[in-house]
Amino acid sequence: KAGVTQTPRYLIKTRGQQVTLSCSPISGHRSVSWYQQTPGQGLQFLFEYFSETQRNKGNFPGRFSGRQFSNSRSEMNVSTLELGDSALYLCASSLAGERNEQFFGPGTRLTVL
Amino acid sequence: GDSVTQMEGPVTLSEEAFLTINCTYTATGYPSLFWYVQYPGEGLQLLLKATKADDKGSNKGFEATYRKETTSFHLEKGSVQVSDSAVYFCALRNNNAGNMLTFGGGTRLMVKP
Repeated sequence: KAGVTQTPRYLIKTRGQQVTLSCSPISGHRSVSWYQQTPGQGLQFLFEYFSETQRNKGNFPGRFSGRQFSNSRSEMNVSTLELGDSALYLCASSLAGERNEQFFGPGTRLTVL
Repeated sequence: GDSVTQMEGPVTLSEEAFLTINCTYTATGYPSLFWYVQYPGEGLQLLLKATKADDKGSNKGFEATYRKETTSFHLEKGSVQVSDSAVYFCALRNNNAGNMLTFGGGTRLMVKP
């Protein structure tokens, strides 16, 4: 069974631009969560989607948004990029419901210049 | 809010040495506790978990026991190998917060032959 895939793996943008990252969960998984990983702040939860609905949201500004499609694939968008948005963005998927193991993708490395 | 504190690294050990990485947490209710491992250039992999007090999670020679009285979940391994070199993250999931994980800052382990 294929794992969680994230595209693109690497991305370079400039300040003020916007970016869209994609995550394809493991087949059959309906929950997708996003995390931001930086050297200074560590791993921080962005949001979780389940059955196309945002179920939980972390403490990030409104420039960070996401969505989930009917096939459970998810995208996250960051508008008006800032230098501080440079990070590794990780996606994790799990089976329906809570208390199931989350499987992480390899991440998208975003660099903002 | 919930928080996880783990010892800062790097931790440098010789092969076959005993490993302990300390992790303590603050949370409401009865969270589930996890250890994840991240190898260079990869996403997170679940190493072990415990869902209630006094549970012991174990995998690949690693162990951790959920200690409610000391709010701790220390990771141990009796004999480390060079291949164990990675970054280790302690995390909790509050059962009132969906699949959201709260992570510690990570501990880099370096094992020398």
